[in-house]
Amino acid sequence: KNEVEQSPQNLTAQEGEFITINCSYSVGISALHWLQQHPGGGIVSLFMLSSGKKKHGRLIATINIQEKHSSLHITASHPRDSAVYICAAPLGGGADGLTFGKGTHLIIQP
Amino acid sequence: NAGVTQTPKFRVLKTGQSMTLLCAQDMNHEYMYWYRQDPGMGLRLIHYSVGEGTTAKGEVPDGYNVSRLKKQNFLLGLESAAPSQTSVYFCASSPRGEQFFGPGTRLTVL
Repeated sequence: KNEVEQSPQNLTAQEGEFITINCSYSVGISALHWLQQHPGGGIVSLFMLSSGKKKHGRLIATINIQEKHSSLHITASHPRDSAVYICAAPLGGGADGLTFGKGTHLIIQP
Repeated sequence: NAGVTQTPKFRVLKTGQSMTLLCAQDMNHEYMYWYRQDPGMGLRLIHYSVGEGTTAKGEVPDGYNVSRLKKQNFLLGLESAAPSQTSVYFCASSPRGEQFFGPGTRLTVL
């Protein structure tokens, strides 16, 4: 079974700062997922990546397959970026579905 | 398109009662999943389905049953609810890869 670790658990920053959230996993994977959970509870998929880097607006996700590590970056952070960011990887062990990190609770202060 | 919907949004049960949570998707996805989310823990996979008429166990299947009689619906049943099943339940669907999440069902078992 894959194990996913995220850091930091909590992060408070000022508007405009560059944000980095880290994720590591224990077993080689086909793709890693980054999700956003809004304060209201809804979960949205941000990225699914298997190599290199992906960019969407101010969000950038990178992955290093050899080191089993991924990062999520937010440039020019804004209070509306405040949310929980969750990293997820295939569960493994013959089962479909994902195993999730515990999430990073991000607060961007104006 | 409604995407992924879940019924009900909230429910309070007494220990020993039974109930069924309904997940519906209108995206013609083959894969569907049930997860639970508890404070301080990441989302965990309960059961999943890789197509109509199929189901399989995830990480934490005990105390739950599922059925996928129609491609668009995935039902999660609790035959005899226990306080340990107090949680927020999320359904997700996928064409194979990115997962699309429902809004969640908050269940309290007294």
